[in-house]
Amino acid sequence: GAVVSQHPSRVICKSGTSVKIECRSLDFQATTMFWYRQFPKQSLMLMATSNEGSKATYEQGVEKDKFLINHASLTLSTLTVTSAHPEDSSFYICSARVLTGVQETQYFGPGTRLLVL
Amino acid sequence: DAKTTQPTSMDCAEGRAANLPCNHSTISGNEYVYWYRQIHSQGPQYIIHGLKNNETNEMASLIITEDRKSSTLILPHATLRDTAVYYCIVRPKTSSSGSARQLTFGSGTQLTVLP
Repeated sequence: GAVVSQHPSRVICKSGTSVKIECRSLDFQATTMFWYRQFPKQSLMLMATSNEGSKATYEQGVEKDKFLINHASLTLSTLTVTSAHPEDSSFYICSARVLTGVQETQYFGPGTRLLVL
Repeated sequence: DAKTTQPTSMDCAEGRAANLPCNHSTISGNEYVYWYRQIHSQGPQYIIHGLKNNETNEMASLIITEDRKSSTLILPHATLRDTAVYYCIVRPKTSSSGSARQLTFGSGTQLTVLP
C-alpha cells in the first residue's frame, strides 16, 4: 500500500510554545490529506481535511486558529499546534487519500505523540 | 454514513483463524465496507474493503452477507502481531466529482491473539 510518513514521531514541549507536525506521502501525490487526533483509550477523531492549494476544512469544535494546517504541495501537509497547552497532549495522525479505480482508500501515517508540559 | 456495531473484544489462539464480525444493518447500496486495524501506539493500517462480493488479499478475507447487513473479517492464521483494534467502517462510494470523504472511526474490536 501507499506509504505515509510523519515527523516527528514524538515531541515534548513547554506550555505556550508552538509545535509543527509534518505529514508526507512518500510514493504518491495526495491532493487531500486528513488530520486526526486520538486521546488515550479513545478512537480517532477527525480534526480537519487538508486540500492542496486551498484552505483546510475544520470539524466542528476544532479551532482553526489554534491548529494551523498548510498543504503547500501534493506530498506535504503540516499541522501546527499554536500556543500548546497540556490539554493538547494527544496522538496526532494524518492520512492521505489514494484513488484506486473508482474508489478511494486512505493510508495513515505512524502518528505523532505530543506531550505538552 | 451507516453505523456499524462490533464486539468490544475477542480472543483468538495463535495459528487459528480470527473471525471478526461487524453489523451494518442500515448500509445503503452505494456504501462500501472498509476494515482497518490499529496496533498500539501506531497509525491505522488499511486491511481490505468491499461492496458486495467477498474479497481476499494477502492480509485477510472479507465476507459480506447477501443482504449486506453484516460482514466478517477473517485473518486465516492469526499471529501475535495481529493483536490490535480492528475497525469496521462503512463509507459511501466516492462521488462522481471525486470529492474526498473522511473515515469515521467507531470503537472497534480489540483482538488479542494468545500464544
